[in-house]
Amino acid sequence: AQKITQTQPGMFVQEKEAVTLDCTYDTSDQSYGLFWYKQPSSGEMIFLIYQGSYDEQNATEGRYSLNFQKARKSANLVISASQLGDSAMYFCAMREVNTGFQKLVFGTGTRLLVSP
Amino acid sequence: EAQVTQNPRYLITVTGKKLTVTCSQNMNHEYMSWYRQDPGLGLRQIYYSMNVEVTDKGDVPEGYKVSRKEKRNFPLILESPSPNQTSLYFCASSSRGLSEKLLFGSGTQLSVL
Repeated sequence: AQKITQTQPGMFVQEKEAVTLDCTYDTSDQSYGLFWYKQPSSGEMIFLIYQGSYDEQNATEGRYSLNFQKARKSANLVISASQLGDSAMYFCAMREVNTGFQKLVFGTGTRLLVSP
Repeated sequence: EAQVTQNPRYLITVTGKKLTVTCSQNMNHEYMSWYRQDPGLGLRQIYYSMNVEVTDKGDVPEGYKVSRKEKRNFPLILESPSPNQTSLYFCASSSRGLSEKLLFGSGTQLSVL
């Protein structure tokens, strides 16, 4: 079964608008961590934001926030005030206690294109 | 500067010719891992290591070998590469712990002809 599902292969947003990238996950663990990474066209993987399953507040890092809905098993990334440099692939990932933190499982990614 | 160094950046080879992709980290991380990235499939884990001499298979280990003789190094070995191993490969490392983010190398684009 797919552990991490990103249903949007591509998203399009205009500069300065907000955009939400969807991520749903599947786990029977109570303790897990959720990550978002950005991959620009240059290819490197850049960590954006982390949310722990026991964190009561949604994580925020600058223009990035994570809309964490535990009951729905979703961890959507919200980018506020999009910039041209936000055009990239975005990956959602999860780490579970029952794997001894040994696996960071990734989704298939969403390609975001920001237009002027 | 904390970094994961992966070499080479690009590699073109022929079927059956053994190759090694090197990976080194300077952060004293216990955990290291190899991923391959293919269009539409995201990143899939090949092998990982929790410490020196401790390695285990990920989701797609067939055709790959690894070793962890020193804490800082985690080379990926393709004994007999095949065209279906053409992919973008990433090495990554982190400390132990649920919230520890992976730090990635810059990637190796491998083409097997």
